[in-house]
Amino acid sequence: EVQLVESGGGLVQPGRSLRLSCATSGLTFSYSAMSWVRQAPGKGLEWVSFIGSNTFDGRTEYAASVKGRFTISRDDSKSIAYLQMNSLRTEDSAVYYCVRDYYGGSSHWYFDLWGRGTLVTVSS
Amino acid sequence: DIQMTQSPSSLSASVGDRVTITCRASQSISHSLNWYQQKPGKAPKLLIYAASNLQSGVPSRFSGDLSGTDFTLTISSLQPEDFATYFCQQSDFFPYTFGQGTTLEIK
Repeated sequence: EVQLVESGGGLVQPGRSLRLSCATSGLTFSYSAMSWVRQAPGKGLEWVSFIGSNTFDGRTEYAASVKGRFTISRDDSKSIAYLQMNSLRTEDSAVYYCVRDYYGGSSHWYFDLWGRGTLVTVSS
Repeated sequence: DIQMTQSPSSLSASVGDRVTITCRASQSISHSLNWYQQKPGKAPKLLIYAASNLQSGVPSRFSGDLSGTDFTLTISSLQPEDFATYFCQQSDFFPYTFGQGTTLEIK
């Protein structure tokens, strides 16, 4: 069974840091590109960050709202993706989902696997 | 950034109805448009990828299409479990962007 399990969320004060983890199983992680998607309470979905597989180019991409503050990384030996979040702001409060960003060919990418999410609350 | 305009934002319908949700991109995104369904308290679920391809395990009453510049998600005959929120998402360019969502409610 394929699983993506996020952890590391919680309550944090503005300006502080958190590191989210996404432990995966049942998929060929080293060949998988991963993204983080967030959803503020009662709001829509917002893509946050992408990391390609190291077997391809390992590129990283970020939403403008988090660039320079968040860092995505991966440990293929542990099949875990991370999101290091620094200088957190109240507007970063959201459920953070780890997703597999699957390449289906012909330049088509899509989020085919989702974790259950982890809640991050930034508040003083 | 590519803006995704999804309509309507909410929709009331009855079991058995045929419904269509539309998503328009602010620039050409080829066929790189995906649809997701989200139920309260749950993670989104992929329904349609690359505009018109049905994800494995998704019922065939769901379909996607591209007509001109409008992407559509159609549910041919609504079932009780289909009442949820639907999002479109473009994956042609970074940053990936989502539509604002369509909440499908029971009439």
